[in-house]
Amino acid sequence: AQSVTQLDSQVPVFEEAPVELRCNYSSSVSVYLFWYVQYPNQGLQLLLKYLSGSTLVKGINGFEAEFNKSQTSFHLRKPSVHISDTAEYFCAVSEGQTGTASKLTFGTGTRLQVTL
Amino acid sequence: DTGVSQNPRHKITKRGQNVTFRCDPISEHNRLYWYRQTLGQGPEFLTYFQNEAQLEKSRLLSDRFSAERPKGSFSTLEIQRTEQGDSAMYLCASSLVGRGNEQFFGPGTRLTVL
Repeated sequence: AQSVTQLDSQVPVFEEAPVELRCNYSSSVSVYLFWYVQYPNQGLQLLLKYLSGSTLVKGINGFEAEFNKSQTSFHLRKPSVHISDTAEYFCAVSEGQTGTASKLTFGTGTRLQVTL
Repeated sequence: DTGVSQNPRHKITKRGQNVTFRCDPISEHNRLYWYRQTLGQGPEFLTYFQNEAQLEKSRLLSDRFSAERPKGSFSTLEIQRTEQGDSAMYLCASSLVGRGNEQFFGPGTRLTVL
């Protein structure tokens, strides 16, 4: 069975500083990996995804993530955060290949708190 | 607006009552998913449909829960005899087969059971 671990429940950071949100996954098969962002009282918005190919994935709002198969990690990074990046961030994994992949398994989330 | 929509956005009910939520997916998407999210947790998978067929149900989905997608378009999630433990955000998502399982989420329905 697949699982996701987000090691940090909260990450405080000053505006314009870099940030890394950590995600590790467990799966016995090939996976697709995702990062979603959730603003208060809203649904989830996809930041970026890894399906195959280049291990460095760029997403919206200046975020990027790197897939590391040997370490089963998919850490999210941003070189300079803004106040508006304050939100909850979820890492998710889906097992299987195109056509068979279905449910997402999410981590417990990391609260990114950006302050001046 | 061509995104996923959910109604109602908020529902307050008394324990023991039945509630029904609706999800309208992105029109061309053939897969529709239901997730439940409790405070401080990530979303947990409940069930999903491909067209009108319900292909998988989580063990979280007790007998009091039922979901339908009768015409392969919108879906309903019904909870019978609600319990306080059912209080959560219920999220719907949709996707298109063959697009790398990218799921688009609706705003959710927040259920409070008193």
